[in-house]
Amino acid sequence: GENVEQHPSTLSVQEGDSAVIKCTYSDSASNYFPWYKQELGKGPQLIIDIRSNVGEKKDQRIAVTLNKTAKHFSLHITETQPEDSAVYFCAAYKRTNAGKSTFGDGTTLTVKP
Amino acid sequence: GAVVSQHPSWVICKSGTSVKIECRSLDFQATTMFWYRQFPKQSLMLMATSNEGSKATYEQGVEKDKFLINHASLTLSTLTVTSAHPEDSSFYICSARTSGSYNEQFFGPGTRLTVL
Repeated sequence: GENVEQHPSTLSVQEGDSAVIKCTYSDSASNYFPWYKQELGKGPQLIIDIRSNVGEKKDQRIAVTLNKTAKHFSLHITETQPEDSAVYFCAAYKRTNAGKSTFGDGTTLTVKP
Repeated sequence: GAVVSQHPSWVICKSGTSVKIECRSLDFQATTMFWYRQFPKQSLMLMATSNEGSKATYEQGVEKDKFLINHASLTLSTLTVTSAHPEDSSFYICSARTSGSYNEQFFGPGTRLTVL
């Protein structure tokens, strides 16, 4: 089955700096890659996603890049703010997997003021 | 974006009792809902996939008689933890999938279950 690896597990940056979280996946048939932000005691929130026919997608300070050949995708957060501190999960999905996504283990991002 | 609610947000119960958690998609119809369990500082562990009008599909190692799932309508799925024990204490999260081609999942806020 699909295997998703996420790095780093923890990331600490200074406010205003950029943060990058990387995920690799194993199944080349996966075609949809969402990123979720989870704040303490809350459910994950979809923050950005990318489909396999696109190499990059940007939404204000957040961007995601996808390299299908290397089977990895990354989340980029620029001009980080303390409220960006949370756990971030990547996921990979393929339609034939009964609608299930495979999640990475999460990255705890801390933005220091 | 799509909104998913969960009720209750937290519950404390005595060992041996049953607890029902509701998951609702508020502004869209969800043919598929997922139930996850999350331990502190860990990733989401998929428990089961719930399709409207049919039996849930459980992941390996998840006891279907202990975690009863009902998906009676396109906007509501319930998870009942039967005869709860302290080891069932956890954060339970549901998600609902839109009917699009891709797995756009929207998560509920989670339910914190504590079994005494």
